Amino acid sequence: QQQVKQSPQSLIVQKGGISIINCAYENTAFDYFPWYQQFPGKGPALLIAIRPDVSEKKEGRFTISFNKSAKQFSLHIMDSQPGDSATYFCAAGEAGAGSYQLTFGKGTKLSVIP
Amino acid sequence: DGGITQSPKYLFRKEGQNVTLSCEQNLNHDAMYWYRQDPGQGLRLIYYSQIVNDFQKGDIAEGYSVSREKKESFPLTVTSAQKNPTAFYLCATADRPFTDTQYFGPGTRLTVL
Repeated sequence: QQQVKQSPQSLIVQKGGISIINCAYENTAFDYFPWYQQFPGKGPALLIAIRPDVSEKKEGRFTISFNKSAKQFSLHIMDSQPGDSATYFCAAGEAGAGSYQLTFGKGTKLSVIP
Repeated sequence: DGGITQSPKYLFRKEGQNVTLSCEQNLNHDAMYWYRQDPGQGLRLIYYSQIVNDFQKGDIAEGYSVSREKKESFPLTVTSAQKNPTAFYLCATADRPFTDTQYFGPGTRLTVL
């Protein structure tokens, strides 16, 4: 059972354009929604995160939009650059019996072309 | 990554052999995690540890074992019982138990020949 559904699987965007990646979840106990950026052969790096008490968070060119009623959240990358080409993972977190755990989407491979 | 090191970067193993992946951190973080990443898949939790000398199974613990004898170290052993061990293995840390933010190491790519 896939608890966090991420789309699209791959995305090609022109330099300067807006990249949009979407995630949806079912579990209403999730209370933390991070996005990670991963370059080939490297570990994921935390990019930006949001908690459900706000609907939007912006850090530089990266914005998370969060819709609690629809159980959806998305990453917007403004003015996309070739250096943004990477795989992006959304995740959703909840406190379990033994720890705080993250559930990850399957990732979106973003290619920004000049 | 930064204060999280994983070694080796690449590891080759023959079928039937156990192999141990290293994860060390100098961040003084309490919690440590092991994930497995397969192509086109998200990250799946293998084991986690909130404090020294305590660890718990994640979603896909079968064929793996861990220890947490020191706060800074959380080695993962991939045993011969793991049916499909070829994957990219990622270690992560969080500063306190039940903290939501996790930081990842650079990963170890394991290939079974």
